[in-house]
Amino acid sequence: GIQVEQSPPDLILQEGANSTLRCNFSDSVNNLQWFHQNPWGQLINLFYIPSGTKQNGRLSATTVATERYSLLYISSSQTTDSGVYFCAVVWNTGNQFYFGTGTSLTVIP
Amino acid sequence: DAGVIQSPRHEVTEMGQEVTLRCKPISGHNSLFWYRQTMMRGLELLIYFNNNVPIDDSGMPEDRFSAKMPNASFSTLKIQPSEPRDSAVYFCASQKLAGVSSYNEQFFGPGTRLTVL
Repeated sequence: GIQVEQSPPDLILQEGANSTLRCNFSDSVNNLQWFHQNPWGQLINLFYIPSGTKQNGRLSATTVATERYSLLYISSSQTTDSGVYFCAVVWNTGNQFYFGTGTSLTVIP
Repeated sequence: DAGVIQSPRHEVTEMGQEVTLRCKPISGHNSLFWYRQTMMRGLELLIYFNNNVPIDDSGMPEDRFSAKMPNASFSTLKIQPSEPRDSAVYFCASQKLAGVSSYNEQFFGPGTRLTVL
């Protein structure tokens, strides 16, 4: 079936380290977003990126729609980056989001 | 902009009671979504509305769940009667449609943490 897979499922980083999170999707999409769910449970929009590359401070994202994946880069990680990162897609055949299972990130001082 | 507003933020109730969750979308947004998040199932879409009309409610677990959107600025999700397995965080999200399909960014509210004893 149609799937959204994220890797790695869990990640522990030392403060200051860089990381790359990956989202693979099994079909063509017309929308893709990255979210950060902080330890208080809030879902925060990071990027709306159905294709191309965007940067926002220490974070950047790249989606290669033709190859069905998206990457989220976190540079110089901070403890406040801890939480779960979700990728969510809207398939070309529909208009509702499907979420991946997330990457749980822990940044230790 | 106030963002998506949900109330209550926390709800504790006893099995069999009726629960009503409320959502106010971002002004100008015409598409509204209700999600449920649990450890076992992750984030699931329950139902969504375009221009106040329910489009897809296939994610609603069973007849105990119902949702309404009487106007563009208000929606409710009701559970009657509630059961312990309904315990979860319920999120509301909104976005502005662009044409027939949804291409725009979706914004989430803070969620309602429901505990059914």
